[in-house]
Amino acid sequence: DTGVSQNPRHKITKRGQNVTFRCDPISEHNRLYWYRQTLGQGPEFLTYFQNEAQLEKSRLLSDRFSAERPKGSFSTLEIQRTEQGDSAMYLCASSLSGGKYFGPGTRLTVL
Amino acid sequence: QKEVEQDPGPLSVPEGAIVSLNCTYSNSAFQYFMWYRQYSRKGPELLMYTYSSGNKEDGRFTAQVDKSSKYISLFIRDSQPSDSATYLCAHAPDSNYQLIWGAGTKLIIKP
Repeated sequence: DTGVSQNPRHKITKRGQNVTFRCDPISEHNRLYWYRQTLGQGPEFLTYFQNEAQLEKSRLLSDRFSAERPKGSFSTLEIQRTEQGDSAMYLCASSLSGGKYFGPGTRLTVL
Repeated sequence: QKEVEQDPGPLSVPEGAIVSLNCTYSNSAFQYFMWYRQYSRKGPELLMYTYSSGNKEDGRFTAQVDKSSKYISLFIRDSQPSDSATYLCAHAPDSNYQLIWGAGTKLIIKP
């Protein structure tokens, strides 16, 4: 499968715990995006990498959120001290130019 | 006013009908327009990607951009039950930038 992959697909955690998600983009894509989506809404932009450089962060991304793309390939998104409001689908997308291709998402439930 | 407006539906049509899905947007500087299909609990799937005005056709799908009226459309010919999904429109000022999304229209194709 040469598409964008995300792991885990589902994560259930208790409030206050830390979670980390991984995204593996399409191999030749140099741009990687993280979005968050809640039911009935379009995705909300979180952050964007070009190669290993994090070029933009949304104001939605509080200091509890951090993302890395250390070698310009896969990326991780960490949420510290999770809150119930963090429950959502976390989507990763990659692109080379033009269209952005999304992974299947990681569904986070914070109890 | 939201940057991208999209009727949430649901839009229910019989199998074989031509489907018309629409969005309006507010920022005339945006040049890139995309349509995504999203099945329940899955990531968005890129269907069509257009630049500036005009039409683009791919199989049963046609995307249309009217910049003068800030209106974008997706037409689906010979609709099938497998087309039942939520359709999201999105746009961006350039190909690198993060996408601005509509909330999606839920489409139901009745057999």
